[in-house]
Amino acid sequence: DAGITQSPRHKVTETGTPVTLRCHQTENHRYMYWYRQDPGHGLRLIHYSYGVKDTDKGEVSDGYSVSRSKTEDFLLTLESATSSQTSVYFCAISSTSGRAIHEQFFGPGTRLTVL
Amino acid sequence: GQQVMQIPQYQHVQEGEDFTTYCNSSTTLSNIQWYKQRPGGHPVFLIQLVKSGEVKKQKRLTFQFGEAKKNSSLHITATQTTDVGTYFCAGGSYNNNDMRFGAGTRLTVKP
Repeated sequence: DAGITQSPRHKVTETGTPVTLRCHQTENHRYMYWYRQDPGHGLRLIHYSYGVKDTDKGEVSDGYSVSRSKTEDFLLTLESATSSQTSVYFCAISSTSGRAIHEQFFGPGTRLTVL
Repeated sequence: GQQVMQIPQYQHVQEGEDFTTYCNSSTTLSNIQWYKQRPGGHPVFLIQLVKSGEVKKQKRLTFQFGEAKKNSSLHITATQTTDVGTYFCAGGSYNNNDMRFGAGTRLTVKP
């Protein structure tokens, strides 16, 4: 497996509290992604990054923010968690050549429950 | 925006039967990727198709990319219990740098 870890792996929090999830890679890949996975919806892209301090929104970005201050770390923050953000969150990384995006390698996932 | 639809949502087969999942996009795709996720695991990359009409094989798995680059399929011949999991397609756009995933097809195989 690619060198990609996520922390924490499990978290239970209360509505209204801030939550930060961390993704760490040792592959020096340019692209990093945050997805959420919910039954019936597959994987939906929240935000992605194409370099240090370069990020863009995905299809379900409302209520989430991200930061990438180093190549190896990509943080996902829920400023004020809501029950609708209960989900499994996956981080992924990929390399590129020109405009071609190569395969994505996924982390083990973080199961977040918001009560 | 770009949407990738995948059918069926579920498929239950007897071991030895064939299985096919289909992906359709509302827009022309730059490429399509397929992933497999075992129960409780994370998605794992299977293959990428880039060319119009491309067909690739991996043992019992056959992947196709449509001529118009708007649809794709994954066919498994003679399923085995090890094929159990959810299969996702992901389509790339010419307009941005992200991949959009289908909702997945969950395959169960009865021994």
